[in-house]
Amino acid sequence: GAGVSQSPSNKVTEKGKDVELRCDPISGHTALYWYRQSLGQGLEFLIYFQGNSAPDKSGLPSDRFSAERTGESVSTLTIQRTQQEDSAVYLCASSLRGALGENYNEQFFGPGTRLTVL
Amino acid sequence: SQQGEEDPQALSIQEGENATMNCSYKTSINNLQWYRQNSGRGLVHLILIRSNEREKHSGRLRVTLDTSKKSSSLLITASRAADTASYFCATDVRGGADGLTFGKGTHLIIQP
Repeated sequence: GAGVSQSPSNKVTEKGKDVELRCDPISGHTALYWYRQSLGQGLEFLIYFQGNSAPDKSGLPSDRFSAERTGESVSTLTIQRTQQEDSAVYLCASSLRGALGENYNEQFFGPGTRLTVL
Repeated sequence: SQQGEEDPQALSIQEGENATMNCSYKTSINNLQWYRQNSGRGLVHLILIRSNEREKHSGRLRVTLDTSKKSSSLLITASRAADTASYFCATDVRGGADGLTFGKGTHLIIQP
């Protein structure tokens, strides 16, 4: 079956512009996650959706970052007024949450969007 | 500080040898997972070990978990050139509610 897809795969933008990154999770996966990976670093957790709801947005780096998810499927991560420090690979993952009391949380990752802010 | 920290940061071995990578973490966990990443892009889930498990196998992979020491190890037996990649451990503290916390990874190079 189809895995997690992300678009665009690469995005080059000028400082100050807004960008929108898209994630299509695996069908039926209720949980969706956004991470950021800077050059040579591990992954930094940004935000988590259970269904369409994001219970905690404190992982977002600044108020220039926002995310939404509609219809328990597609999610978009928007970065407003991009800065050079926003340059990174943005990774999306989805997982199938188990029955009550059983949280598998094996996450399936998309290929990422490489964002370069000039 | 990082919840999961892998060591070594880099490891180079000959094809056919075994590779062992370690991970330490700081807080109680629900489960611990290992991922592989090639060329700085797509992460592939390798194995998940729950907090009440001590050892798990999957093909050439063996993972151990010692919750008293807050540490885990990943052993890859009979390594192949295709195993060259970065390997990350990731801790799941609340069953997904906070995402996974990744370390900076171990870069493994398999010399043919």
